[in-house]
Amino acid sequence: EGQLVQSGGGLVKPGGSLRLSCAASGFTFKDAWMNWVRQAPGKGLEWVGRIKSKFDGGTIDYAAPLKDKFTISRDDSKNTLFLEMNSLKTDDTAVYYCTMHWNDKRWFDLWGQGTLVTVSS
Amino acid sequence: EIVLTQSPGTLSLFPGERATLSCRASQSVSSSDLAWYQQKPGQAPRLLIYGASSRATDIPDRFSGSGSGTDFTLTISRLEPEDFAVYYCQKYGTSPPLTFGGGTTVDIK
Repeated sequence: EGQLVQSGGGLVKPGGSLRLSCAASGFTFKDAWMNWVRQAPGKGLEWVGRIKSKFDGGTIDYAAPLKDKFTISRDDSKNTLFLEMNSLKTDDTAVYYCTMHWNDKRWFDLWGQGTLVTVSS
Repeated sequence: EIVLTQSPGTLSLFPGERATLSCRASQSVSSSDLAWYQQKPGQAPRLLIYGASSRATDIPDRFSGSGSGTDFTLTISRLEPEDFAVYYCQKYGTSPPLTFGGGTTVDIK
């Protein structure tokens, strides 16, 4: 059974940077399209971005407001997804989830446990 | 960008009652690209419905999805205690952004 285990959250000062990781197991990671979704405290879900499998072109798409400060990458040799976050602001405070889908089944049926990022001075 | 509007914001019902949740899209959405998720406090979302009407693995048949175009519905036929949660619709598919609705909270009356 597939699993996504996240790490890397924590407290960061405004203007700072942080990198989140998402380690995959139990499925063929290199074939999966991987996403990040975030949820501010008490708020709804917000899609952050997606990276396709290399076989499908490896294209990376971002939510428009986040494309200049967030970078999604993957290391298929380590079955790991990353989210690099720069120039963080207090409104980036959220639980960040990684999630996956297949090219031909694009709903999110496997989620990581979530990791809290708190941006505060 | 397609905007998904969920209503009502909160639905207060008794266990055993029927819940009807609405998701309205600002533009037509392919039925194959509409999902519903359930989220409980402190947990990651869980996929309930994909393709507007197909139940995900291990989802009880009291959950059903319907709709097309711009109007989609999630119905819970008889609420069980574990069904009180927040529900989100989502437009997925080839073209980003992959948007979520604002959510509907189903709470115990």
